[in-house]
Formats: sequence, C-alpha cells, structure tokens
Amino acid sequence: IVLTQSPGTLSVSPGESATLSCRASQRVGSAYIAWYQFRPGQAPRLLLDGTFRRAAGIPDKFSGGVSGSEFTLTISRLEPEDFAVYYCHQYGTPPYTFGQGTPLEIK
Amino acid sequence: QVHLVESGGGVVQPGRSLRLSCTPSGFIFSNYAMNWVRQVPGKGLEWVVVISFDGTNQHYGDSVKGRFTISRDNSNNTLYLQMNSLRVDDSGVYYCARALEMAINDAFDLWGQGTLVTVSS
Repeated sequence: IVLTQSPGTLSVSPGESATLSCRASQRVGSAYIAWYQFRPGQAPRLLLDGTFRRAAGIPDKFSGGVSGSEFTLTISRLEPEDFAVYYCHQYGTPPYTFGQGTPLEIK
Repeated sequence: QVHLVESGGGVVQPGRSLRLSCTPSGFIFSNYAMNWVRQVPGKGLEWVVVISFDGTNQHYGDSVKGRFTISRDNSNNTLYLQMNSLRVDDSGVYYCARALEMAINDAFDLWGQGTLVTVSS
C-alpha cells in the first residue's frame, strides 16, 4: 500500500493551523493509520493511532480525520516546537508502509 | 524512564554482515511486538521487519527478505537484527520501535534514537 503525503512542504505562521494529507493507494481501515513527528536530534514521536486516537501525552491541538482514502492530520495553534517533519503510516497488513513525509516549516 | 537504545551500526563493505541490537528499559520487553524501521538519508522511512512479543511470528519487508533476520532474547531483554549480504542501498539510520500493544500490527509508540549503518566500499 503506497501512502502519498501532501503537500510536499507546508509553510505556516506560528499561531495558525496546518492540515497535512495522506492518501492511500488501496483501502486501509482507519484503525490502522498513525501519524508521527520527527524532530532533529530527538526520537520520533507517535501522535495519533487508529486515525483519531491521540497517543499518551499528546495535546488536543493534534487531531486526525479521514474522508474516503484520504487521512488528515490537523495541528492547531502552531508553536515553534511543532515545526518538524510528519509521517503517516499504515500498519494494517505487512509490508507496513510510510508516507514520504511532509516538512512543516515556519513561514 | 522508558527507553530504547540501538547499537551495532557502523561502516561495512557491500556483501558483508552486521548485527544491530536494541536494548529496552523501563517496560516489560516480553509484552510487546517490536519492529525495525530505517531512514535513508534524504529519503523517507522504510519499515523493515516486525517480530511478535514471543518471537514466534515475523514479517519482513520485500527488500530485506532472505537477507535480514530479526530475533529477540526476552530473558536478556534484547532485540536483534542480523543483516547479511548488505548492499549500498541498505545504508541509513536504523530505528527499533515498539508496537503500541501486544498485537503484531500496531502503531509504534516508542522509538530509539537510531543507529547509522553505512554500506560502502
């Protein structure tokens, strides 16, 4: 299953919201989609699993959605530490796959 | 504190072997399925392999099938990745990652910092 993330890069101002997209090439149950945050020098962090469920310690500014085969991650009230690279991930059927990542940059 | 620490990375020639280790702390290792994921510099993430909590079930990515072997020693709390017949395109940062719950197909809720593998002549 190929996951295609868009946009390639997203530039947003602090305080605003950002919505990242992840489209699956085949049907993936919403129970099997996760989102991760990658920041330089830090271990990757799970944000959401099962499309909607926030991982332990993740604030409610992070939310997930789905429409058909398109999964979304929305981050509201952007703060400096939110500017990172975000990956979607499907773990329903091996081989598990990741999207190519969307860098979220400060505008 | 809950941690995963990878080790064993380095520079190796094409065709040679390398064994990575992942050492957990702060949780009951034998309760969780574990994965290896790699990140190629400048590219994205590639899932490599998963092993069930008890080691009886594994699934491999197509690019490593037949060359890599995952194993675990629950009595000594260590996860391994034996990599044979290494190729240049196996280079990257290798992460071990814990599955969220006991199921083999689950999100990865804990990651290590990664260990760098460079395959070059």
